[in-house]
Amino acid sequence: GENVEQHPSTLSVQEGDSAVIKCTYSDSASNYFPWYKQELGKRPQLIIDIRSNVGEKKDQRIAVTLNKTAKHFSLHITETQPEDSAVYFCAAMGGGSNYKLTFGKGTLLTVNP
Amino acid sequence: GAGVSQSPSNKVTEKGKDVELRCDPISGHTALYWYRQSLGQGLEFLIYFQGNSAPDKSGLPSDRFSAERTGGSVSTLTIQRTQQEDSAVYLCASSFGQVNTEAFFGQGTRLTVV
Repeated sequence: GENVEQHPSTLSVQEGDSAVIKCTYSDSASNYFPWYKQELGKRPQLIIDIRSNVGEKKDQRIAVTLNKTAKHFSLHITETQPEDSAVYFCAAMGGGSNYKLTFGKGTLLTVNP
Repeated sequence: GAGVSQSPSNKVTEKGKDVELRCDPISGHTALYWYRQSLGQGLEFLIYFQGNSAPDKSGLPSDRFSAERTGGSVSTLTIQRTQQEDSAVYLCASSFGQVNTEAFFGQGTRLTVV
């Protein structure tokens, strides 16, 4: 089955700096890669996603890149703010009729004022 | 409803008792997922449904865990003879069951086994 690895497990940055979280996946058939943000005590919520036919996608301060050949994808947050502090999860969904959504173990991002 | 609804929000049970956790997905969503999240940990996959069938139940930790979904809507996760290590937040998510569609999470059920 699919295996998603996520690094780092914790990340601390100064406000205004950039943050990068990286994930790798094992199933070459996977073709959808969402990123979720989970604030303390709350449910995970989608912040950005990317399809397998796209190499990069950007939404204001957040961007995601995908390298299908290497089977890795990354989340980039620029000009970080304290409210960006949360746990971030990457995920991969299988291809074809397989809709299983497998998550990485998460990255605790702390943005220091 | 407007979102994925789970009940109960909190459940405290004695070791050895059975518990049932309920998930009401967003109307029209054919895919439904169950995950377990221990304190400070990641999202551990348990099982997912496409309609009423479960193509992948590989994440169920033991035969004490089972899940069903009827009418392509509500799902119930049952844990028999609960153990202390079952204590966690159980999260349900649903989506339209097509590739490239967002999965929405419920607020979770916090299960404490004493």
